[in-house]
Amino acid sequence: QKEVEQNSGPLSVPEGAIASLNCTYSDRGSQSFFWYRQYSGKSPELIMFIYSNGDKEDGRFTAQLNKASQYVSLLIRDSQPSDSATYLCAVNTPSPGGYQKVTFGIGTKLQVIP
Amino acid sequence: KAGVTQTPRYLIKTRGQQVTLSCSPISGHRSVSWYQQTPGQGLQFLFEYFSETQRNKGNFPGRFSGRQFSNSRSEMNVSTLELGDSALYLCASKGRGATEAFFGQGTRLTVV
Repeated sequence: QKEVEQNSGPLSVPEGAIASLNCTYSDRGSQSFFWYRQYSGKSPELIMFIYSNGDKEDGRFTAQLNKASQYVSLLIRDSQPSDSATYLCAVNTPSPGGYQKVTFGIGTKLQVIP
Repeated sequence: KAGVTQTPRYLIKTRGQQVTLSCSPISGHRSVSWYQQTPGQGLQFLFEYFSETQRNKGNFPGRFSGRQFSNSRSEMNVSTLELGDSALYLCASKGRGATEAFFGQGTRLTVV
């Protein structure tokens, strides 16, 4: 089982719709969770992070965390063609030595159709 | 504030050669992590350095090594290059007490 799992997609949504991106993780000790957006040929950029169960909203983006189900999601409301990118889920987990290790999912490719 | 800077941006090397990549973190950031990104495997963690010490290491062969200098700049070295080492190599830096990482633009390595 992979430590962080995402459907690679592509996920196609029409412009203006809600895009829902999902991620599951295997380590119950994971403490913080991140969503990165990566445009083709570019480096990942941080969109949001979440530490606590529940929802966290930032503009058109909402991150949702359910630690009991080991599930993180990202909702994008009013999707725009400019949102077309690969979305990477990243999970911070304790590693030997007392430090934190960030593990990434393979990413979900989102296509917003005009 | 300048972002994370990686050099060079592009590299073409021949099998068997070695390569050194450089990463300058955001000013004040002492943690630098390296990742390999390929289409099939996604972003895979190589190692993390903090204050010149490696404190985390991924599952890569010993041909992959790194170091960090006192100014927090980091280098990654790959020896005896293989075709499968062709990838985008990304470094990311984190600030003190922070958990979110900021990425550089990456070095695209092609091994022929």
